[in-house]
Amino acid sequence: EIVLTQSPGTLSLSPGERTTLSCRASQSVSSNYLAWYQQKPGQAPRLLIYGASSRATGIPDRFSGSGSGTDFTLTISRLEPEDFAVYYCQQYGGSPRTFGQGTKLEIK
Amino acid sequence: EVQLVESGGGLVQPGRSLRLSCAASGFIFDDYAMHWVRQTPGKGLEWVSGINWNSAEIGYADSVKGRFTISRDNAKNSLYLQMNSLRAEDTALYYCAKNMGGYFDYWGQGSQVTVSS
Repeated sequence: EIVLTQSPGTLSLSPGERTTLSCRASQSVSSNYLAWYQQKPGQAPRLLIYGASSRATGIPDRFSGSGSGTDFTLTISRLEPEDFAVYYCQQYGGSPRTFGQGTKLEIK
Repeated sequence: EVQLVESGGGLVQPGRSLRLSCAASGFIFDDYAMHWVRQTPGKGLEWVSGINWNSAEIGYADSVKGRFTISRDNAKNSLYLQMNSLRAEDTALYYCAKNMGGYFDYWGQGSQVTVSS
């Protein structure tokens, strides 16, 4: 099973800032089959990025994904108030599909 | 608009059974594989089970294999999860999720399952 480790656990930032979230895999993720989700309190996860770098439908272009192999990042270029949430990575290149433990992005 | 609505959760004693349902709308249900994913505060998000469009391919997490059964009824646009021999560690919010190339592009709002005596 591929273990995904996200860092940091919590980020305290202000609106307007740029941030990068990290997701590291215990082994190479085949074909860069890596997705990112955003989850707000009381809501289901929402797909942001798939294939490591492709934005899902309706996702603003301030969200971008990059990386390959075992190291992946989600970048938010300029934080909006609605971006403060928990972010999860998920790999679907190996079985079973696995998720990272999440990074909480909180307002400073 | 894609909608996934779970139902059937609740409080159940250890060792008992529960059946979750997920009603799908807004897309051609039998074109897509479907999955169950659960979430707990302690363990985070965990894939539970998945089923392809015609039920020919089914998979389970090791933690539920032999106790849970996934199924679907394409005529009713519905997904199910039969959960037997429930344990305290199965307590979670269970999401129904639509598969799209291996990732999950739509999720329901979840159904809470609590296993406790």
